[in-house]
Amino acid sequence: AQSVTQPDIHITVSEGASLELRCNYSYGATPYLFWYVQSPGQGLQLLLKYFSGDTLVQGIKGFEAEFKRSQSSFNLRKPSVHWSDAAEYFCAVGPSSNTGKLIFGQGTTLQVKP
Amino acid sequence: GAGVSQSPSNKVTEKGKDVELRCDPISGHTALYWYRQSLGQGLEFLIYFQGNSAPDKSGLPSDRFSAERTGGSVSTLTIQRTQQEDSAVYLCASSLKSTYEQYFGPGTRLTVT
Repeated sequence: AQSVTQPDIHITVSEGASLELRCNYSYGATPYLFWYVQSPGQGLQLLLKYFSGDTLVQGIKGFEAEFKRSQSSFNLRKPSVHWSDAAEYFCAVGPSSNTGKLIFGQGTTLQVKP
Repeated sequence: GAGVSQSPSNKVTEKGKDVELRCDPISGHTALYWYRQSLGQGLEFLIYFQGNSAPDKSGLPSDRFSAERTGGSVSTLTIQRTQQEDSAVYLCASSLKSTYEQYFGPGTRLTVT
């Protein structure tokens, strides 16, 4: 079955520190992979996507993610976290050609300490 | 350009009443999706539209839930005889085509009392 696992429910980092959010997926075919961010009371904003090609993808707000097929992972990274990065982050896989469905992980809440 | 918009932003209704939630996708996007976000269940897919047809309705939780899309644009999600477990944030998304990235609206927070 297709699934996405975000092992860390909650992460706290100090402002200026580096960040890595983990995402593991189970998907039958070559996956399309996404990271979204959600601030309180807001919808989901697309940070970055992987469809094919270069396994290191750059996104908005200084985020990047690396696709590792051998580990079924798509971890999100940022070299220096800003207080405004505090939010909930969702990893997602899909969609396949015959359904538009995205499968989401449970999310990781990021808290940033001053 | 304008993003995905949803209305109302908040809806409080009494148990047993019907509600309609509206989604306006990004202009030119042929694919439209509804998801539900709740504390216990996370983000769940409900239904997918390609144009005006819905090839995948597999996520609709019961026959009290229905959705339609007209003119390849606006979509309405209808919940009949609402129950307390329907309380959630209902998110709409659209994409240029079904295999492209999805852009989300701000959501409608539904509270059933």
